[in-house]
Amino acid sequence: DGGITQSPKYLFRKEGQNVTLSCEQNLNHDAMYWYRQDPGQGLRLIYYSQIVNDFQKGDIAEGYSVSREKKESFPLTVTSAQKNPTAFYLCASTTRGQRRTGELFFGEGSRLTVL
Amino acid sequence: KQEVTQIPAALSVPEGENLVLNCSFTDSAIYNLQWFRQDPGKGLTSLLLIQSSQREQTSGRLNASLDKSSGRSTLYIAASQPGDSATYLCASGGDSGGYQKVTFGTGTKLQVIP
Repeated sequence: DGGITQSPKYLFRKEGQNVTLSCEQNLNHDAMYWYRQDPGQGLRLIYYSQIVNDFQKGDIAEGYSVSREKKESFPLTVTSAQKNPTAFYLCASTTRGQRRTGELFFGEGSRLTVL
Repeated sequence: KQEVTQIPAALSVPEGENLVLNCSFTDSAIYNLQWFRQDPGKGLTSLLLIQSSQREQTSGRLNASLDKSSGRSTLYIAASQPGDSATYLCASGGDSGGYQKVTFGTGTKLQVIP
């Protein structure tokens, strides 16, 4: 079945370590997104990518990095520079390109806990 | 900057009741409005997408309406069931410097009591 796969589902990190969250989609979507969700807050955009080899910072990009080498994949690295990385991370994708938003589909999320 | 608000933050209703969830947004220049469901510890599941040219969309017991002029959308759930218990989020899709941007509300946590 088509969908978005995020891994790992749970991840524990020691302070000072970088970690990478995986996001793979087989929906043939052009645009992919990373969001962060904290209790009591709406989803906040970290990074987004409209096409391969292109990505843009979202509202809270500091301490994060991404790559988009393949259409299907959009990994997120949480670096040691991110001061408060404990959160639920959600990857999403949509069919539409610039200037139009199509239906947004989400993965199951990855919960990162810093020890 | 677009702001999306959902009131109330939590709602508890008896099974079988019809209910309405509210979503308001500050910038009416949107491309679409999407409603999602989120179960605890899970990702978001798309329920309904309303394009800016549409007034409403229906799927089973769910009906979503959009009034761009007033900056409001509602999600109507008919004959609620305990399985409808979840957090419901709305999100507006719009333009941000030539790129698509989606702005989320903080959600309404619904509990349907058997």
